[in-house]
Formats: sequence, structure tokens, C-alpha cells
Amino acid sequence: QKEVEQNSGPLSVPEGAIASLNCTYSDRGSQSFFWYRQYSGKSPELIMSIYSNGDKEDGRFTAQLNKASQYVSLLIRDSQPSDSATYLCAVNEAGGYNKLIFGAGTRLAVHP
Amino acid sequence: NAGVMQNPRHLVRRRGQEARLRCSPMKGHSHVYWYRQLPEEGLKFMVYLQKENIIDESGMPKERFSAEFPKEGPSILRIQQVVRGDSAAYFCASSPRTEAYEQYFGPGTRLTVT
Repeated sequence: QKEVEQNSGPLSVPEGAIASLNCTYSDRGSQSFFWYRQYSGKSPELIMSIYSNGDKEDGRFTAQLNKASQYVSLLIRDSQPSDSATYLCAVNEAGGYNKLIFGAGTRLAVHP
Repeated sequence: NAGVMQNPRHLVRRRGQEARLRCSPMKGHSHVYWYRQLPEEGLKFMVYLQKENIIDESGMPKERFSAEFPKEGPSILRIQQVVRGDSAAYFCASSPRTEAYEQYFGPGTRLTVT
């Protein structure tokens, strides 16, 4: 059973701090990794994709990938209350026609 | 707005009725995926379709569920003889091509079975 593991949280950080979200995956053949943000009652919104080892930055977001450790992370700098949401890590299943396997999500709460 | 469209947004069915959920992909996208999110659970893959073809249905329950993506018109997820356990949010996503490309989600259909 291929799995994606995330700490469910809640992760509570003060406004302006760095929020660090982590994800591990079991499928060594996975090649594509995504972070989605989901507000309560809404649909997932793609915020980052990463395909090769290292860091990828986009505005206040940085995704980090380490395939050897099967580990993906998302850093959110200068966290804002509007960042409060559930963050879903998704990994493609190797040989699975782009089927995505999602973690259960980490709930982030940014307090003023 | 050229995003993924889903309708209806909310659907209430009595046990034993049929539910039909529709999805129109983003403009220029020809790959459609259906996911289900049960209350307090993560997203689970159900099926992947291209026009007139089911590519991967490994996540679809063996009975009562079917999906299609005809040459013309939206993709349809059909649930026959619904039961209370079918109550969930059903999301459609689309991508421009396969091979590990980003998937963009529609607003979802919230199905409630009474």
C-alpha cells in the first residue's frame, strides 16, 4: 500500500513566523510532488510543484525535496492569518498514469 | 473564468436513488481525474479518463460507480442506488497532459444521502 504521511497538526505559528510542513512518502518510484492548500469547505488549490531534488521558491513558499530520504517539505515565510488552512502533500504513483496519492493533510493555524 | 467546472455544487439524494455529477475540464485540458473526500478523511483517487477512454479506474468501487468522458460534453461520474456511505465531496481535476503534470481542481460536488 503506497502511502503519504503528514503530521495532522494543528501546527500553530505566530503571524510573521516561518511555518514548516513535512511529508514522507513510501513509493520510491514517485517523480512528481505537489503541495495543495485547502480551506475548510473548499477545493484543493495547487500552490507548489517540485520534480527534482533541492529547493524551489515561489514568493513566500519554498518546497524542498529529498528523494533519497523520501521527504518533501513546504516552508511558508512571513506567515499570515490568511495562510490558515489544511495543506495537502500529493505524490504521483509510479507507473500509475499520474494518479495522485494524497496525505491526510496538516492543519496550519496562524495567529495574530 | 476558464477553471474546472463542476455541477451541481450540492446534491441531496435519498437512499436508492441515482446521483450524476458533471465535470468540465479547464480549457485546453483533455485529462480528467475524479477524487473523493469523505468527511474528516483525505482525498482518494477514483478514476482517470481521457476523451472516450477510461485510463485508470483502480480507485473506483467495483459496484454502483461508473464514469465516462464522451467526445462531446462533460465528464460524468454516476453513482447508482446511493447509500449513506456515499455522502462525501467529489472533486474533479484536470491536466493538459499526463506524465506527472499538475492537476487543477474544480469546486467539488457535495453529495448528501438521506
